[in-house]
Amino acid sequence: GDSVTQMEGPVTLSEEAFLTINCTYTATGYPSLFWYVQYPGEGLQLLLKATKADDKGSNKGFEATYRKETTSFHLEKGSVQVSDSAVYFCALTDAYSGNTPLVFGKGTRLSVIA
Amino acid sequence: DTGVSQDPRHKITKRGQNVTFRCDPISEHNRLYWYRQTLGQGPEFLTYFQNEAQLEKSRLLSDRFSAERPKGSFSTLEIQRTEQGDSAMYLCASSPPTGVNEQFFGPGTRLTVL
Repeated sequence: GDSVTQMEGPVTLSEEAFLTINCTYTATGYPSLFWYVQYPGEGLQLLLKATKADDKGSNKGFEATYRKETTSFHLEKGSVQVSDSAVYFCALTDAYSGNTPLVFGKGTRLSVIA
Repeated sequence: DTGVSQDPRHKITKRGQNVTFRCDPISEHNRLYWYRQTLGQGPEFLTYFQNEAQLEKSRLLSDRFSAERPKGSFSTLEIQRTEQGDSAMYLCASSPPTGVNEQFFGPGTRLTVL
């Protein structure tokens, strides 16, 4: 079945450092790809999405590009802030089916220190 | 802001008791999903509804679990004869009838079984 693999954390960075969180996927169809973020004590929030190959999703300074050739959707941010400390989840769903549940990676905890 | 709401936010129960959780989706969303999240893991799919029809159930959903969505509005998830292994965060999400299957999550119900 479909699956998502994320780099293991925790990741600890200093403020203004560059962030990359790797995500690769396995899917039989043509998935849509998502990054969700979970801040401490809060629910999952959609951070960004991409629905087809070469699409770039972006939001709040974060970016991720849908790479079909490498089956990847790595999350990047040029300069992290303390407020970015959270757990980040990569996820996919079958775009053609429309009803399929999300398949999540295990999450990567990011801690940003001042 | 009428996002996805869940009730209760926390539930502590003794092993063997029954518990019921409620989820109210975003009003125009016809798809509703239940997930379970344990510590250090990504959310895992349990079941989903399109309108009032339950269309898919995960193998994780043992016969002690039942979910309903009467009239295609709110949904309930009941766990009978709870076990310590049921302790987890139970997440509800909803998505609109068209477009990419972008799911919006509620804050979750944290269940602790003693």
